[in-house]
Amino acid sequence: SAVISQKPSRDICQRGTSLTIQCQVDSQVTMMFWYRQQPGQSLTLIATANQGSEATYESGFVIDKFPISRPNLTFSTLTVSNMSPEDSSIYLCSDRHQGSYGYTFGSGTRLTVV
Amino acid sequence: GENVEQHPSTLSVQEGDSAVIKCTYSDSASNYFPWYKQELGKRPQLIIDIRSNVGEKKDQRIAVTLNKTAKHFSLHITETQPEDSAVYFCAASNPLGSGSARQLTFGSGTQLTVLP
Repeated sequence: SAVISQKPSRDICQRGTSLTIQCQVDSQVTMMFWYRQQPGQSLTLIATANQGSEATYESGFVIDKFPISRPNLTFSTLTVSNMSPEDSSIYLCSDRHQGSYGYTFGSGTRLTVV
Repeated sequence: GENVEQHPSTLSVQEGDSAVIKCTYSDSASNYFPWYKQELGKRPQLIIDIRSNVGEKKDQRIAVTLNKTAKHFSLHITETQPEDSAVYFCAASNPLGSGSARQLTFGSGTQLTVLP
């Protein structure tokens, strides 16, 4: 399975600012996803990152708030924009290889907005 | 879209006893059902998965059963140990399908506590 490097691992940010989270995969993958995990909760899909085109967002998540880039098959970024304390959460990237059933997760970014 | 329900939300067992966590799914097109273990502050780790072409899969103390007709699947942990304490998530998807079916949809999680 792929190895995903995610950074930063944690950050404390001021409200109104933005944070960009990066994920790098060690081999080419078909699909990359971004999840949010609020404290004590399950994982909620934010969007599917599409290579070279706009991400596909889930209900309740919009591009202006969570812009996503995926310039190639091994790298993606998620930006949390104009942050408020409600954005405090863990953000995780995930991937799946072509023809494979398994999904792998990055180590997560613990974001605290003050 | 897919909807996955998971029960119970918390489960406490004595060391050495068995633990069972149950999930149901809604989309009959789903054909891949992984289980993840998440320890505090860490990423979800795949512990076992099952595809819809089999009804049961076992790996040492962990087993998963799948009933496609009833659309439910279960995680069984035998001879539990304190290090099994964690949050367990079930999930469902159709990885080789199209559109949103390829996404992993997670259950709400079960906090398992194994008491020594």
